[in-house]
Amino acid sequence: DIQMTQSPSTLSASVGDRVTITCRASQSTTNWLAWYQQKPGKAPKLLIYKASSLESGVPSRFSGGGSGTEFTLTISSLQPDDFATYYCQQYNTYPVTFGGGTKVEIK
Amino acid sequence: QVQLQESGPGLVKPSQTLSLTCTVSGGSITSAAYYWSWIRQHPGKGLEWIGNVYYSGSTYYNPSLTSRVTISLDTSNNQFSLKLSSMTAADTAMYYCAGNPSDGRVLGSAFDIWGQGTMVTISS
Repeated sequence: DIQMTQSPSTLSASVGDRVTITCRASQSTTNWLAWYQQKPGKAPKLLIYKASSLESGVPSRFSGGGSGTEFTLTISSLQPDDFATYYCQQYNTYPVTFGGGTKVEIK
Repeated sequence: QVQLQESGPGLVKPSQTLSLTCTVSGGSITSAAYYWSWIRQHPGKGLEWIGNVYYSGSTYYNPSLTSRVTISLDTSNNQFSLKLSSMTAADTAMYYCAGNPSDGRVLGSAFDIWGQGTMVTISS
């Protein structure tokens, strides 16, 4: 299985901050990498697919980058609605695997 | 717009088999457009992919669960189902059904459709 490691596990930030979350894969996933946002009691919501493609309806302050084994999710200016947990996921190889999550908290 | 809704028991006894159903609305489960998956989330933890089924009936399962998992289609009711046998306390989790578009690759794309989830607790 491809192991996905996210850092940091928790991030404290203020509204307006630029925030970057990193996801590292134990082997190359080429660019078959997605990012999800999950709020308490809710299902995950797709933000980014194919490493850098923005899902329809997702604000442009979200962006994804990277390829191979290292990927990033950046929020250019953190908004109150963005405080949540974020997960990366590889879909290059079965079984599909997710990172452990990064919780973005209010500073 | 395709929507998913999970249903099934919220409480299962140890050693029993869990049966969950995901009803697909706004689209056909027999369409080649989507793969249909089950994903679970242990309380306070991350996401674990259980397996999927395609319109053809072909399935892929997570090797960590493959001996206990069956995922199948019910085309007459536009549903797909999960059966997980020999349940233990370690299977207590929120169970989600999800869909990801077929893009010509074996795995398809990312999960862009999710049900709201159903909490399953294992207890005698």
